[in-house]
Amino acid sequence: DAKTTQPPSMDCAEGRAANLPCNHSTISGNEYVYWYRQIHSQGPQYIIHGLKNNETNEMASLIITEDRKSSTLILPHATLRDTAVYYCIVRGLKAAGNKLTFGGGTRVLVKP
Amino acid sequence: EPEVTQTPSHQVTQMGQEVILRCVPISNHLYFYWYRQILGQKVEFLVSFYNNEISEKSEIFDDQFSVERPDGSNFTLKIRSTKLEDSAMYFCASSKQGAGTDTQYFGPGTRLTVL
Repeated sequence: DAKTTQPPSMDCAEGRAANLPCNHSTISGNEYVYWYRQIHSQGPQYIIHGLKNNETNEMASLIITEDRKSSTLILPHATLRDTAVYYCIVRGLKAAGNKLTFGGGTRVLVKP
Repeated sequence: EPEVTQTPSHQVTQMGQEVILRCVPISNHLYFYWYRQILGQKVEFLVSFYNNEISEKSEIFDDQFSVERPDGSNFTLKIRSTKLEDSAMYFCASSKQGAGTDTQYFGPGTRLTVL
């Protein structure tokens, strides 16, 4: 699976949009971009995933560049409860039991 | 909304003792996973399990570790003789299909403390 690069930390104002970048320049054509977050020491929480089209769900939007070498997770209206470590993970279409490889993620602090 | 559950939430044990961590995956899921996170470090994959067999395991998952699905609902991780360095959060996850596009859902974790 391709390696990802994320900024180690970022702050965001409550109520504003949080834009979390991720670089995955070695991504291959059949690899998906997944985003998870981990609030304090809780279990990782799935947010969203995509292949090449932009995706939106009730939690966030995922914008993937046309060349697929980078993506941005957007939290449209950040709340204090969105303070967490956010992980960008690239996964391929392997056979069953495909593991998730977590990096260091981006530690997001939402401030009042 | 269905979720993965884990028990106990916190387990304290003496070095050398055996521990069993329990997980109840989401009911219609077929693929099961264990991950661990040592305090301050990354979440690390341990093992994946499907159809009563290990699909993949990491270097961490040595002979001291074993997994089992003893009945139709539980999925367990056993550590035979715990070491101090086994102290960590252990997360269970499950997914429907296991393919690369399939989403894994995580439980809240068990904090294992080895004294």
